[in-house]
Amino acid sequence: GEDVEQSLFLSVREGDSSVINCTYTDSSSTYLYWYKQEPGAGLQLLTYIFSNMDMKQDQRLTVLLNKKDKHLSLRIADTQTGDSAIYFCAESIGGNDYKLSFGAGTTVTVRA
Amino acid sequence: DAGITQSPRYKITETGRQVTLMCHQTWSHSYMFWYRQDLGHGLRLIYYSAAADITDKGEVPDGYVVSRSKTENFPLTLESATRSQTSVYFCASSHPGREQFFGPGTRLTVL
Repeated sequence: GEDVEQSLFLSVREGDSSVINCTYTDSSSTYLYWYKQEPGAGLQLLTYIFSNMDMKQDQRLTVLLNKKDKHLSLRIADTQTGDSAIYFCAESIGGNDYKLSFGAGTTVTVRA
Repeated sequence: DAGITQSPRYKITETGRQVTLMCHQTWSHSYMFWYRQDLGHGLRLIYYSAAADITDKGEVPDGYVVSRSKTENFPLTLESATRSQTSVYFCASSHPGREQFFGPGTRLTVL
């Protein structure tokens, strides 16, 4: 999982926007994913972006992809206390759609 | 309607013992995966399986054995547990090229 890098912690005030950044290494990645893990639970897919897209919006979530810099970001608008969780960036690797490499995860803490 | 389940959810064992973690999915997904989650490392792939009787190594396979005699089950065995295998283990499944669905995890402690 060391091929995908994320900052480890982010603290944000309720109502503000959160931006979580990720860099990856595999230029052949077809899909890039954002997963959310709440305490004591497994990972849930939040959103994903196909490698030929620059941006994807899904309600409060906006994913930006810069293929040239291999940089992926997740913006959460109007962050709520329920958004407190660990967020994992993942890339499909080796041209395979089924094998993923995960980052170490960014712990997002939402403060009142 | 269970989706993907793992058992046990918590396990404490001793060094040198054999431990088997179970994973069961009801979606008939062809792909199944085992990951371990450790602080600072995120998720690392241990083994995966593309179909029944087809398995392959991931990033950190040493000390683990898997089997897949039925599509819905993918047990992970630690043949002789070591302290370094203390971790949270996640099973996942997917259709080819689609998102992976994760189980709730098994927290394993090796004393």
